[in-house]
This record gives sequence, C-alpha cells and structure tokens, in this order.
Amino acid sequence: GAVVSQHPSRVICKSGTSVKIECRSLDFQATTMFWYRQFPKQSLMLMATSNEGSKATYEQGVEKDKFLINHASLTLSTLTVTSAHPEDSSFYICSARANNFSYNSPLHFGNGTRLTVT
Amino acid sequence: GESVGLHLPTLSVQEGDNSIINCAYSNSASDYFIWYKQESGKGPQFIIDIRSNMDKRQGQRVTVLLNKTVKHLSLQIAATQPGDSAVYFCAENTGGFKTIFGAGTRLFVKA
Repeated sequence: GAVVSQHPSRVICKSGTSVKIECRSLDFQATTMFWYRQFPKQSLMLMATSNEGSKATYEQGVEKDKFLINHASLTLSTLTVTSAHPEDSSFYICSARANNFSYNSPLHFGNGTRLTVT
Repeated sequence: GESVGLHLPTLSVQEGDNSIINCAYSNSASDYFIWYKQESGKGPQFIIDIRSNMDKRQGQRVTVLLNKTVKHLSLQIAATQPGDSAVYFCAENTGGFKTIFGAGTRLFVKA
C-alpha cells in the first residue's frame, strides 16, 4: 500500500518552455504532498508543501511564480516549472503520507522526474 | 537553501559484514527521525524510523540508534548484501509536517 506515482519519469524541454509534473497517490488520499528537488550527488531539498484545496507553502528561496503547484484533488498534485532554464535541470520528487493526520509517519515517494532543459 | 555541492561520503563494506552509517542532525527540537534508501534514478524508500522518546529500534536486519545528547543518528545493517548498495539518507521532522533530509552516505557492498 501507500504508492505514489509520478509522471513523466523523464522530460527534456527547450529553454523558455514550461513543464508539468504530476504526482498521484494511488491507494490513499493525501491532503498534503511535498515536492523535493535533488541535484546530482546531493541530498533532497524541500521546495514546497502542496495543500489540497489551498495555496502551496514554499520554502525560503523557492520562487512560487516559477514553480507553480496545484493540488486540486486528494490524489493529485502537479508541479509546473515555468519558463524553464538550464539551471532548473534537476531530479524532482514528490511525496505524501498515507496517514494525513500524523506527522510522525514516513513519507512515501514517487520515483522522481528527471528534467533536462536544453 | 541549497546544499553545497560536495561528493557524498562513501562507505565500502564486504558482503556479509555489518554496516554502520552515521548522521548528525541539526535541530534539537526534532522529535521524529527516519532512514531512507535511495537507489539510482529512483525516489527514496523508507527503511526504519524512530521517535525521540526512544534510543533504539530494530527492524529486519536494520537497527536505528538515536543519541539526542549529541544529536546523532545511526543505521546499522546486519549481514550486508549486494542489494543494500545505495545512498542512505537520514531525515528529521522538525515540528509540523515537513521532513528535512540530511546529507547522504553512499554504501558500496563488495561481493
């Protein structure tokens, strides 16, 4: 149980275009989802908390107008990288908790999206 | 902010030996800790967790130790196997629902 699915797994886009990444909880409902970014050989950095039915909460230094998050249902959150540039190339990973009411429970992660901006 | 671009520390062990991976966490207010395993090109996978009111927790072949005095966490893997080769991350909940990851350690298991 507690499967998180992410799509696409890999995307290549041209500089200046926008890319949408989908994150779905397949067998549970998630009122909150978390988006991370990971550069090669580095740890995961939390970008934002996606809240169903309300605005996302962004971490310090993350541009909310560049990384648009929509959490329109209890099983789907999307991250749109707008006007992508080569420095946005990274591995983007979403996650959620099967238990929405306990933060003392582990996150379940999708398999990530490798974004390459040319 | 973003972490500095350092190479991950590496631990190399012989198959069948025990592995110990260490982690220093930063926030003394953190009350929940998790170890994740990440294989190449995949998202992190939950291994084991521990709450701050405990100092040891055991799973199947894995043990997590928590020392709150020095803010140190360790993951012990018994009888390490080639399939254990991956990057291991410790993570902490600093209050609320956010999980913050620490620096990872790459584990190489030599057959």
